[in-house]
Amino acid sequence: GNSVTQMEGPVTLSEEAFLTINCTYTATGYPSLFWYVQYPGEGLQLLLKATKADDKGSNKGFEATYRKETTSFHLEKGSVQVSDSAVYFCALSHSGGYQKVTFGTGTKLQVIP
Amino acid sequence: EAQVTQNPRYLITVTGKKLTVTCSQNMNHEYMSWYRQDPGLGLRQIYYSMNVEVTDKGDVPEGYKVSRKEKRNFPLILESPSPNQTSLYFCASSLSGTGPGNTIYFGEGSWLTVV
Repeated sequence: GNSVTQMEGPVTLSEEAFLTINCTYTATGYPSLFWYVQYPGEGLQLLLKATKADDKGSNKGFEATYRKETTSFHLEKGSVQVSDSAVYFCALSHSGGYQKVTFGTGTKLQVIP
Repeated sequence: EAQVTQNPRYLITVTGKKLTVTCSQNMNHEYMSWYRQDPGLGLRQIYYSMNVEVTDKGDVPEGYKVSRKEKRNFPLILESPSPNQTSLYFCASSLSGTGPGNTIYFGEGSWLTVV
C-alpha cells in the first residue's frame, strides 16, 4: 500500500541555518504530495503542496520538489528562524476509491537563537 | 473565514462513558474525515465521508462511529471509550475528496483522555 517515510527527529538547528527534512514515499498511481506544519498546541496547517511530478511547492521560504524518479519530496529552507520550531509532516493523498491522506510520523524541528 | 471547528478541544472522561466530538465546516465541502494522532505513528484515518449519508471506514475504525446527516457536520462518537482511545483527534474537510487539486483543511484538534 501507500506509505510515507520521513526522517526521524528531533532536528535542532541554530537560527539562520539551512534546513532539509527528507521525505520519501511509496504509492500507486499519481498522488499529490504535501507538507503540513503543526505548531505547539495547534492543529495542522498546510505548508505547501505539489500535485504532479517536477512541481515545486513553496511557502514562507520553504520549498519542496515532487521527484517521481526518486519518489521524494524533501522539505528545504535556506535560513530557519526560531518561529519555525514545529513538527513537520510529509503526506500524500490518494485519489480514486480510497479517499485518505497518508502521513509520515512527523519530524520535530527546534531552532535555537 | 474558512474554518473546521471541533469541540471539545480538551476532554477527560472515564472508561465506558459515551462521548461525542463535534466537527463543523463552513466551506460547503463534500469530503470530511477524522484522524487520530499518536506519538511515533503520525496521523491515521478513522472514518471519512464523501457526502451526506455516505461514510466509509479508514484504517482504524474500531471503537468509533460517525454520522453525516448534514453536509457541514461530521460528529465522531465513542460509544464506550477505552484508555487506548486516548489521543489527539483531528477533523478534516475538502471540497471533493483527496484527489489532485484538493486542499485538505484541518481543525485545531481535540485532546481526549480516557481514564
